[in-house]
Amino acid sequence: AQTVTQSQPEMSVQEAETVTLSCTYDTSESDYYLFWYKQPPSRQMILVIRQEAYKQQNATENRFSVNFQKAAKSFSLKISDSQLGDAAMYFCGGGSQGNLIFGKGTKLSVKP
Amino acid sequence: DAGVIQSPRHEVTEMGQEVTLRCKPISGHDYLFWYRQTMMRGLELLIYFNNNVPIDDSGMPEDRFSAKMPNASFSTLKIQPSEPRDSAVYFCASSWTSGPYNEQFFGPGTRLTVL
Repeated sequence: AQTVTQSQPEMSVQEAETVTLSCTYDTSESDYYLFWYKQPPSRQMILVIRQEAYKQQNATENRFSVNFQKAAKSFSLKISDSQLGDAAMYFCGGGSQGNLIFGKGTKLSVKP
Repeated sequence: DAGVIQSPRHEVTEMGQEVTLRCKPISGHDYLFWYRQTMMRGLELLIYFNNNVPIDDSGMPEDRFSAKMPNASFSTLKIQPSEPRDSAVYFCASSWTSGPYNEQFFGPGTRLTVL
């Protein structure tokens, strides 16, 4: 069984500041990947960043980076230099072989 | 590339009516996924196909729901009869392969309202 938990229903950050969104992922699978998707008000789901579980190095995509702590089952997303366009719902999730599980999401607000 | 295409974007129907949602995956993708999103339950995987064959339909809520993929470029999700609790946003997504390393590309979703 797999479970994804996002414990922060809402977060807020000042423009240009840094914010970290939390996620825990529990699975019995040995081979899996984790990801963060962004859903702006347009409701389009957009992949932000992906992490393969076997990789030691944390993934980075421009202003977005993850901190993957496998033993702690933690997979947090850090957004640096926050921009107004980052305001959205952020979904953490994971899986393998198509069986993807999503968390309930964190709503991020960015204050100008 | 046009991305994943879903139609209609919005659907309003009355309880008891049949509803058909449509999806065209990205050309060349061999996996197709149907999701449902609600405030209460979040984003749930309903069913997914590989090369037009249903692989896992354990997420389909009940027999009123059915999904087909007659060819590589088209899939439908049908609800018959529809109920108010089926109101949700339904997403279709596709990818080249499943497994750990491939991104799922989502369509814009269909917002279904059952009165």
